[in-house]
Amino acid sequence: EDKVVQSPLSLVVHEGDTVTLNCSYEVTNFRSLLWYKQEKKAPTFLFMLTSSGIEKKSGRLSSILDKKELSSILNITATQTGDSAIYLCAHPRDSNYQLIWGAGTKLIIKP
Amino acid sequence: DAGITQSPRHKVTETGTPVTLRCHQTENHRYMYWYRQDPGHGLRLIHYSYGVKDTDKGEVSDGYSVSRSKTEDFLLTLESATSSQTSVYFCAISALGGGYEQFFGPGTRLTVL
Repeated sequence: EDKVVQSPLSLVVHEGDTVTLNCSYEVTNFRSLLWYKQEKKAPTFLFMLTSSGIEKKSGRLSSILDKKELSSILNITATQTGDSAIYLCAHPRDSNYQLIWGAGTKLIIKP
Repeated sequence: DAGITQSPRHKVTETGTPVTLRCHQTENHRYMYWYRQDPGHGLRLIHYSYGVKDTDKGEVSDGYSVSRSKTEDFLLTLESATSSQTSVYFCAISALGGGYEQFFGPGTRLTVL
């Protein structure tokens, strides 16, 4: 059965630190890997990765896919308290456009 | 932001009563989804739709039904609400031919007493 596993499940760091969140996947047919951020509301889309080794970047957030290692990382540099959130990754399940969701990493940034 | 609204945003109801949640989109996306999110369980798919009148069950569909009579509206009905259905419900949409990314509505917090 296809699955997506995130680690760590929770992380507490101080403002200014750099964090790396991991997402590994076991899927029959790789399509893409998606990252979302969820604060105290709905998840918001961050990145979609399809090609190995190509970094997607948005401000202090960046993500890269490693198809050899069946994983992706999300990096956040110079963290701010506003980065506190649950970060979710997901993989498409099948042709009906369902997503398999990881359990999420709860990131807390302390001032 | 994707044009997705959910109504109501908050609802408190009693056990045994029927409840209908509405998701409305202005993006003309083909796919629509209903999720529930509970602490310790993450996002779980209840039902989804791949077109008007085309729906299918997700992983936690028991006790829920859906209908989609128009592209823009996807209704989730709890026929007889139970306390275990207290949750936050999210609607999401996805476009055919897109990259599988889903865009979420603001959520409905439902409390069943």
